[in-house]
Amino acid sequence: AQSVTQPDIHITVSEGASLELRCNYSYGATPYLFWYVQSPGQGLQLLLKYFSGDTLVQGIKGFEAEFKRSQSSFNLRKPSVHWSDAAEYFCAVGAGNYGGSQGNLIFGKGTKLSVKP
Amino acid sequence: DAGVIQSPRHEVTEMGQEVTLRCKPISGHDYLFWYRQTMMRGLELLIYFNNNVPIDDSGMPEDRFSAKMPNASFSTLKIQPSEPRDSAVYFCASSLRGASSYTFGSGTRLTVV
Repeated sequence: AQSVTQPDIHITVSEGASLELRCNYSYGATPYLFWYVQSPGQGLQLLLKYFSGDTLVQGIKGFEAEFKRSQSSFNLRKPSVHWSDAAEYFCAVGAGNYGGSQGNLIFGKGTKLSVKP
Repeated sequence: DAGVIQSPRHEVTEMGQEVTLRCKPISGHDYLFWYRQTMMRGLELLIYFNNNVPIDDSGMPEDRFSAKMPNASFSTLKIQPSEPRDSAVYFCASSLRGASSYTFGSGTRLTVV
């Protein structure tokens, strides 16, 4: 069965510093992978997604993620964090057939990001 | 488009009462998902529909939970009777062609006292 692991529950970085949030997945084929962000009291907003092709994908708000099949990872990065990036970040994999293109998403437990001034 | 609309935003109810959560998906989307979010368990899929038909309800906790989608523009999640352990944020999401393009609603925060 598909699964997603986000090893870090909480990360604190200084404003302006670089950021990397880790995500490992379990899936038998090439999965559909996603990163979402959730601000307090809000729903989840899609940051970026990977289906195929270039393994480095660009998203909104200056985020990028790299798909590494050999490591079953899809880590999220940002070169310079802003205070407004403080939120909770969720990695997800598409469940079901066809690489997960149909059906539901399976989410990791999330990583809460705090930003120090 | 106004996005996925959920109502109410907050619901406080007493144990044993019936609770109905509502969701209006984005027009044209053919998938609708209900998720529950708690600190302990994270985001759990409860049920999802494709073209108004329930596809997978294996995540529905027990018979107290039921969901319907009478048409393409409306879905409900009902809990009867409610229990304190049902307290959570319930999210509805819709998408076109499955996992490729989820849009989440703002959620309903349910508190059962």
